Amino acid sequence: EPEVTQTPSHQVTQMGQEVILRCVPISNHLYFYWYRQILGQKVEFLVSFYNNEISEKSEIFDDQFSVERPDGSNFTLKIRSTKLEDSAMYFCASSLDTNTEAFFGQGTRLTVV
Amino acid sequence: AQSVTQLDSHVSVSEGTPVLLRCNYSSSYSPSLFWYVQHPNKGLQLLLKYTSAATLVKGINGFEAEFKKSETSFHLTKPSAHMSDAAEYFCVVRLTSNYQLIWGAGTKLIIKP
Repeated sequence: EPEVTQTPSHQVTQMGQEVILRCVPISNHLYFYWYRQILGQKVEFLVSFYNNEISEKSEIFDDQFSVERPDGSNFTLKIRSTKLEDSAMYFCASSLDTNTEAFFGQGTRLTVV
Repeated sequence: AQSVTQLDSHVSVSEGTPVLLRCNYSSSYSPSLFWYVQHPNKGLQLLLKYTSAATLVKGINGFEAEFKKSETSFHLTKPSAHMSDAAEYFCVVRLTSNYQLIWGAGTKLIIKP
C-alpha cells in the first residue's frame, strides 16, 4: 500500500540552526501539506502546496518557514533560525485532490535545544 | 468558524466491551468529518470519513461513526474493544473554504485487560 514517508524520525538541533524536514508524498498525489503538533496541544495546519506553489498557509507559517518540492518526489519543510518553541512533531501529508482524504506520514519529532 | 470538540481526553474500557469516543463539531456548512488514529510511534492513519453520503460510516478495524446533524455530533464507536485499539484518536473537520483540516484535541483510548 502506498504511504507517505518522512525523514528523519527524530531531529535534534541547536537553537538558531536551520533544519530541513523531508517528506516523500504518495506518487500520484497532487496536494501536499505540513502540520505540526506541539506536545500536549492540537495538531495545527502550517501550509498546503499545489502546482509548485503555496496554496494556503496559516499564521504560524511566517518567514522563518519555507517549503519546496525540489524534484518530482520530495517535499521539504525548512525552518530557519530555529527557536525552542519550534519543538514539535511535524507531519507531512498528501492527497490526490482537495476532496479526498489526506494520507499522513509518521512524523518527524523536532527537538530544539 | 468551524471547530471540533472532543469531549474526553481519556477513555478507559475493558477488552471486549464497547467503545464510545465523542466528538462535536461546529460548522456553518455541510461538513466533511474524519476520524484519524495514532498508535504510539506511528503516523496518523485514517479510520473513516463522512462526506455527505450515508450518515452511518464504517471504517477500518471494526470502527464506525454516525453523523447526526441535529446534535452536531460524529461519535466514534466499536462494539468490542481489542487491546490493539489502544491509541490516540482525533476527530477532524475539513474547512469548506480552503480544505484545511481542523483537529480536535484527541482522545487517548486505554484498553484494560
